[in-house]
Amino acid sequence: EDQVTQSPEALRLQEGESSSLNCSYTVSGLRGLFWYRQDPGKGPEFLFTLYSAGEEKEKERLKATLTKKESFLHITAPKPEDSATYLCAVQAYSNNDMRFGAGTRLTVKP
Amino acid sequence: GAGVSQSPRYKVAKRGQDVALRCDPISGHVSLFWYQQALGQGPEFLTYFQNEAQLDKSGLPSDRFFAERPEGSVSTLKIQRTQQEDSAVYLCASSSTSGATYEQYFGPGTRLTVT
Repeated sequence: EDQVTQSPEALRLQEGESSSLNCSYTVSGLRGLFWYRQDPGKGPEFLFTLYSAGEEKEKERLKATLTKKESFLHITAPKPEDSATYLCAVQAYSNNDMRFGAGTRLTVKP
Repeated sequence: GAGVSQSPRYKVAKRGQDVALRCDPISGHVSLFWYQQALGQGPEFLTYFQNEAQLDKSGLPSDRFFAERPEGSVSTLKIQRTQQEDSAVYLCASSSTSGATYEQYFGPGTRLTVT
């Protein structure tokens, strides 16, 4: 069965303190791995799709990387507005749905 | 352009009542998905449409849950005889590709509370 585990569950950073969020996954035939950001009371906002091991994508202070077993979301010099829950999801070739992890709740203090 | 919209944003139902949740996807998006999100958890897949065809309903938790997309655009998720365990946020997402291989764009969700 496809599984996604995110760690840590919660992360508190000082503004400017870089860190990484982890997404470990098991899936039979990875079609794509997705990162989303979710603010309280809102729907998930798409950030990145990664398709193959070794792939990297960047957007502002965020960079996502992918290996055969895990993905990292690196946050460089975060700002308070980066505070949110970051969700990781995988999609397998064999089905249509995305399997989500429980998310990492990031708080960035000024 | 406009994103995915959902209505109502909040719904309170008494146990045993029927509810209907509406989703307006991004115009022209072929694929539409419904997810259920419990507090502190990631979204869980319910069902998937390609145009008007419901191709996957494996995530629907019981036969009290029913979804339709009769004209291939707006979709409705209906829950009959609501139970307390149905309390959750219901998210709708749409995607521009028929193969469901690409990113999905989510609406704001409908928060359902069953009392």
